[in-house]
Amino acid sequence: AQSVSQHNHHVILSEAASLELGCNYSYGGTVNLFWYVQYPGQHLQLLLKYFSGDPLVKGIKGFEAEFIKSKFSFNLRKPSVQWSDTAEYFCAVNNGNQGGKLIFGQGTELSVKP
Amino acid sequence: DGGITQSPKYLFRKEGQNVTLSCEQNLNHDAMYWYRQDPGQGLRLIYYSQIVNDFQKGDIAEGYSVSREKKESFPLTVTSAQKNPTAFYLCASSRTIEGEQFFGPGTRLTVL
Repeated sequence: AQSVSQHNHHVILSEAASLELGCNYSYGGTVNLFWYVQYPGQHLQLLLKYFSGDPLVKGIKGFEAEFIKSKFSFNLRKPSVQWSDTAEYFCAVNNGNQGGKLIFGQGTELSVKP
Repeated sequence: DGGITQSPKYLFRKEGQNVTLSCEQNLNHDAMYWYRQDPGQGLRLIYYSQIVNDFQKGDIAEGYSVSREKKESFPLTVTSAQKNPTAFYLCASSRTIEGEQFFGPGTRLTVL
């Protein structure tokens, strides 16, 4: 069965540090890839998505992610984090064979110290 | 103001009771979904519906039921057969089954 793995469960950074959150998936066919963020007390919202084209995707709030097909990875990056980036981050994947079902990773909790 | 609403925000029920969680969207989306979120497990799909009057089981459908009689509504019933119902439930919708999903604010269900 298709699965999504996020390597870090809890990441703690100081403000201005660089961020990279890992995401790997197991499906070998065509996929759509997403990163969602859940700020404390708020809705889950989309940070960025990849469907096709340029594998380096830019999202909201200075986040970007790179799709590396050969590594089945879609890591999330931000050059300089802020305290307001404290949230839980979820990687998700879907593909046509799954009827469009989104498969989510376990989530990574990011805590940014001011 | 377009979006997805879920009610209630907090819900308490006694063991052995069925309870129905509401999800409404005014985005004119065809597809709707129900997820369960537990700490450290991400989101797991309970049921989804690609179109009105049609729905499919997700990965953890046992103990749950849904209906999709109207495009904008996708209620979820947590039955007494669900062994561990205490959780945070999220509803989502998307324009098509492959598209970006938009999420509601969630309902936290606690079984006493």
